[in-house]
Amino acid sequence: EAEVAQSPRYKITEKSQAVAFWCDPISGHATLYWYRQILGQGPELLVQFQDESVVDDSQLPKDRFSAERLKGVDSTLKIQPAELGDSAMYLCASSQDRTTGNTIYFGEGSWLTVV
Amino acid sequence: KNEVEQSPQNLTAQEGEFITINCSYSVGISALHWLQQHPGGGIVSLFMLSSGKKKHGRLIATINIQEKHSSLHITASHPRDSAVYICARPGTASKLTFGTGTRLQVTL
Repeated sequence: EAEVAQSPRYKITEKSQAVAFWCDPISGHATLYWYRQILGQGPELLVQFQDESVVDDSQLPKDRFSAERLKGVDSTLKIQPAELGDSAMYLCASSQDRTTGNTIYFGEGSWLTVV
Repeated sequence: KNEVEQSPQNLTAQEGEFITINCSYSVGISALHWLQQHPGGGIVSLFMLSSGKKKHGRLIATINIQEKHSSLHITASHPRDSAVYICARPGTASKLTFGTGTRLQVTL
């Protein structure tokens, strides 16, 4: 069964360093989401892409976070510089398109620990 | 106040018990997601439903759009069902609003 691939699964980085996460959505899915989930809380949307365009990045801390999906397929989420409060799981998800009612498929997530 | 409320927040059950998790939402929707997250794991989509009932194995999800309420039932629960169950409401452009989650622990 097709799945959303993410890497790395786990990352430990020092404060002020740069870190990047990669996501490969299910083939053919036009919509890609990056969520952040702090331990014990629900996921929070950071950025949503439709093909290569950003649809919603209102919750993305743009002073340190950036996201791109250059060819409208895979995507990279970058944090620079990382802060202690960035420790969380970063989840990527994809859906066929933005139509409400489409199933959204989640990746396994990338755990980040900032020390 | 969260737009999507779940109850209970925590649930402990013995193996074999019938389990019900409830989800209420304040804004009208056309569909609702039920998601499962095992400890330290990613999120798995269980159901996306817009009316009536859906069944997959021992899992059953129901929704009443008029009453803005959905339930997830697990029959013959098993320890491997232990996870956090989350309902989520799609909004504009399918942006999800997540419920508070229900942490289920099934013991032997």
